[in-house]
Amino acid sequence: QKEVEQDPGPLSVPEGAIVSLNCTYSNSAFQYFMWYRQYSRKGPELLMYTYSSGNKEDGRFTAQVDKSSKYISLFIRDSQPSDSATYLCAMTTIEGFQKLVFGTGTRLLVSP
Amino acid sequence: DVKVTQSSRYLVKRTGEKVFLECVQDMDHENMFWYRQDPGLGLRLIYFSYDVKMKEKGDIPEGYSVSREKKERFSLILESASTNQTSMYLCASSLELAGDTDTQYFGPGTRLTVL
Repeated sequence: QKEVEQDPGPLSVPEGAIVSLNCTYSNSAFQYFMWYRQYSRKGPELLMYTYSSGNKEDGRFTAQVDKSSKYISLFIRDSQPSDSATYLCAMTTIEGFQKLVFGTGTRLLVSP
Repeated sequence: DVKVTQSSRYLVKRTGEKVFLECVQDMDHENMFWYRQDPGLGLRLIYFSYDVKMKEKGDIPEGYSVSREKKERFSLILESASTNQTSMYLCASSLELAGDTDTQYFGPGTRLTVL
């Protein structure tokens, strides 16, 4: 079983929809949680960063961490065609020395 | 803006060739990383370096070596390329652990095909 599980999609939604992307993990020592966005033929870029549990909001994006369930989510409000990309969750422990463990990514398609 | 550049976007090599992938970052970052990305497997860490001339094995170091002679440059070497090393290779860099700013910045990737 992988340490981090993520549905590969694709997830297809119409423009303006609320999108929910999720990851589950098995290592209870994970404390730092990240979401990266990767456009086709580009490297991943950091979208959101959360330490431990709770919510974090940045514009149309909200990251949520539920450590009791070992479950993290990224919500995108008012989705746009420009949000079409692959979204990767990543996480690490405090001692992890930034050795991130990545999910396989969920491909999101937002149609106009 | 942090910039991580990789020497080639696309590379085609033959089995048995020695392959060099170069990565350069311009933000004086301490840490540098090499990943490979494959469908269904996500990003997997090959090697990382936390200082000049220092290196640590990641999760899949077999068949690879690295070199970091200067702070801004981190090279990945395939000593004898094999077809199962056909993949997208991504370089990343980051500052020392510094609160919530210690994120990894990625380069655009090199798509390597080994024939």
